[in-house]
Amino acid sequence: DAKTTQPNSMESNEEEPVHLPCNHSTISGTDYIHWYRQLPSQGPEYVIHGLTSNVNNRMASLAIAEDRKSSTLILHRATLRDAAVYYCILREGLMNYGGSQGNLIFGKGTKLSVKP
Amino acid sequence: DTAVSQTPKYLVTQMGNDKSIKCEQNLGHDTMYWYKQDSKKFLKIMFSYNNKELIINETVPNRFSPKSPDKAHLNLHINSLELGDSAVYFCASRPGGLSPNNEQFFGPGTRLTVL
Repeated sequence: DAKTTQPNSMESNEEEPVHLPCNHSTISGTDYIHWYRQLPSQGPEYVIHGLTSNVNNRMASLAIAEDRKSSTLILHRATLRDAAVYYCILREGLMNYGGSQGNLIFGKGTKLSVKP
Repeated sequence: DTAVSQTPKYLVTQMGNDKSIKCEQNLGHDTMYWYKQDSKKFLKIMFSYNNKELIINETVPNRFSPKSPDKAHLNLHINSLELGDSAVYFCASRPGGLSPNNEQFFGPGTRLTVL
């Protein structure tokens, strides 16, 4: 999987929007952009993913740059429960998905702190 | 209902012992994984297992061996435990098939401490 770069940490105030950036300048045309987060003392959980178009779900929005070399995870109203490490991961969009192509390669992620 | 469960949640043992961590998923997924998260919080994949095909991360010592009695279970056996094996181990699963976007579901983790 191609490499991603994220800030080590970010701070936010409760009830305010949060924009978590991710750079992936070596992304290939078939790579999907996935975001996972890990709450304290828990396993990672899926947040959102996209390929080219911006995506929205109940947890967050994903804004993808036109050249796909960067993306931003948007939490519209941060809560204390959103304090976690957020991982931006590129995943190969290969059709033969039975083997290692489905693996997630985690980087260091961004540790998000939310202040009341 | 817990989707991916692991037992035990905590495991404290002496160096040199052999131990196992169990993982079960009730999602009907075809692929299961084991990850290791060390003290620096880096999450690294150890194994992926799909339809009896085992993909091993080459950095994993052969003291670690996954065993899958059926599609819903992937247990992790560790022989001759060493201090450096202390970490949190996560099991995960995802649907199989051709879609590259199937999300992975992670278990709550097993904190292993080797004394």
